[in-house]
Amino acid sequence: KAGVTQTPRYLIKTRGQQVTLSCSPISGHRSVSWYQQTPGQGLQFLFEYFSETQRNKGNFPGRFSGRQFSNSRSEMNVSTLELGDSALYLCASRDDGRIVNTEAFFGQGTRLTVV
Amino acid sequence: SQKIEQNSEALNIQEGKTATLTCNYTNYSPAYLQWYRQDPGRGPVFLLLIRENEKEKRKERLKVTFDTTLKQSLFHITASQPADSATYLCALAFDNYGQNFVFGPGTRLSVLP
Repeated sequence: KAGVTQTPRYLIKTRGQQVTLSCSPISGHRSVSWYQQTPGQGLQFLFEYFSETQRNKGNFPGRFSGRQFSNSRSEMNVSTLELGDSALYLCASRDDGRIVNTEAFFGQGTRLTVV
Repeated sequence: SQKIEQNSEALNIQEGKTATLTCNYTNYSPAYLQWYRQDPGRGPVFLLLIRENEKEKRKERLKVTFDTTLKQSLFHITASQPADSATYLCALAFDNYGQNFVFGPGTRLSVLP
């Protein structure tokens, strides 16, 4: 079956703009999580959605938000972009978010560059 | 807050040897721990999971141990190959619901032919 699909793969935005990233999980998976990866901070958890509800949230400012649709596809939005938001944004899906001790399937990521 | 350390940023070993990567954490123990492999420009790929009540897990050439007393997990790759060269990440989960993983910084492994 198809893997996790993230679009777009690459994005260049200007400071102050906003951006929306998309993630389509593996068919049947209901849990989608988002992560930010930078060389200095590593992989950091942003938030997790399960059945259209945000269930967990990391320590990121309110400029970072997300949502999940009824088909489990998820979007992440970053408003008022800052240079420090430049990173690889990864989403991961699970087959059943209630049983967490299962593997997470990651997408290829969206490389966001803020100039 | 929880801190996770992985033994070194980079590790070089000779082909055929066993690579041993370390993941140390502070404070409270996770419910379980996972190891992932990440290649440049790609998302992490799951390798192994070990629960807090398990001491060891194996999968082909891979072995993971979990010592809650030492607050440490060891990840071994036996008979290493150049194709094993990648960054290896440990991820800790502190509850059994949701997906709030805390990832370590990763160790970049290079297996030299």
